Amino acid sequence: QKEVEQNSGPLSVPEGAIASLNCTYSDRGSQSFFWYRQYSGKSPELIMFIYSNGDKEDGRFTAQLNKASQYVSLLIRDSQPSDSATYLCAVNKSGGSYIPTFGRGTSLIVHP
Amino acid sequence: NAGVTQTPKFQVLKTGQSMTLQCAQDMNHNSMYWYRQDPGMGLRLIYYSASEGTTDKGEVPNGYNVSRLNKREFSLRLESAAPSQTSVYFCASSERQGVYGYTFGSGTRLTVV
Repeated sequence: QKEVEQNSGPLSVPEGAIASLNCTYSDRGSQSFFWYRQYSGKSPELIMFIYSNGDKEDGRFTAQLNKASQYVSLLIRDSQPSDSATYLCAVNKSGGSYIPTFGRGTSLIVHP
Repeated sequence: NAGVTQTPKFQVLKTGQSMTLQCAQDMNHNSMYWYRQDPGMGLRLIYYSASEGTTDKGEVPNGYNVSRLNKREFSLRLESAAPSQTSVYFCASSERQGVYGYTFGSGTRLTVV
């Protein structure tokens, strides 16, 4: 089992819809969870981080964490074509260095 | 506020040549990292420096060396480049390891022929 798994996509949604991106992880002791956005040919950019079970909202973005089920999600409301990018999930390892492990990313396409 | 600055942006090397990728951050971050990103492989950690004066191996350290020159600068050296090191390299920094997310540099696209 990969440490951090994401569906590679592409996930295609119409403009204005809710995009739902999912990530599962294997380390039960993980405490910190991050979502990054990466446009083609650019570097990753931090969108959100979440530490506690439940939802965390920032503008059109909502991160959802369920530690019991070991998944973290990112919802993008009112999706725009400018949201088209690859979204990377990162999960900190428990114990030791706490270096995050990155998933391979989900490609999102928002079509007009 | 420049954030994380990487140089060069592009480089072509011949097999066996050496080079150093430079990275500097102006955010007073303690931790710095070098990643490589390959199609289908995601981001893989090469080396990291939790704080000034320390460096540690990541997932794929073979063929690379690093130097944390001071709190701002963290360089990555390829001593004898191989075609397998063709990749996009990202430097990143964080205020404190394990707690906050990363700020990434713009990347170096390296081709080894």
